[in-house]
Amino acid sequence: EAGVVQSPRYKIIEKKQPVAFWCNPISGHNTLYWYLQNLGQGPELLIRYENEEAVDDSQLPKDRFSAERLKGVDSTLKIQPAELGDSAVYLCASSSNRVNTGELFFGEGSRLTVL
Amino acid sequence: GESVGLHLPTLSVQEGDNSIINCAYSNSASDYFIWYKQESGKGPQFIIDIRSNMDKRQGQRVTVLLNKTVKHLSLQIAATQPGDSAVYFCAEKVDFGNEKLTFGTGTRLTIIP
Repeated sequence: EAGVVQSPRYKIIEKKQPVAFWCNPISGHNTLYWYLQNLGQGPELLIRYENEEAVDDSQLPKDRFSAERLKGVDSTLKIQPAELGDSAVYLCASSSNRVNTGELFFGEGSRLTVL
Repeated sequence: GESVGLHLPTLSVQEGDNSIINCAYSNSASDYFIWYKQESGKGPQFIIDIRSNMDKRQGQRVTVLLNKTVKHLSLQIAATQPGDSAVYFCAEKVDFGNEKLTFGTGTRLTIIP
């Protein structure tokens, strides 16, 4: 079974440019998460989707960040315009509510460098 | 848990010895606790979890202990191997009505050959 797939793995852009990250969760997983991980820190939740509905986006900086999961499967996270402080790893994860565990399955992340 | 920025707590252990990684959590309402392993350049990988109605759970070479009185969680790794070198995160989750998983401060474990 394929795991969570993210692309691109690496992205280098200049500040004020837009950037987008894509995530394909594990097949059948209805819950999808975007996490931000700064160097040397634990992941921090940006947004959580239940199917196509964003049920927790309280930590998403909505002035520049947006996300969508139109058909309840894959998702895109966009930053426009990017700032220097956005340099980080953006992790996508998915889980299934058919089993009552806390396990989230993570992708390998998209590392963003803003110059 | 709160981040300590770039200065991750570190633990160095001789190969073959046992290691214990500790974590303090903050939310007394948390119902699930999970340990994740993160190797360089990869996403976090689930190791083991424990519910709040338990105080110990064992897996293959790993044991998680939960002390709800002092809000403390530990991960014991037996007979460490070079492949155990990674950053380990504890995470907590309030079960009902909230799927948010909150990660604590990581610990960098280095296995010395």
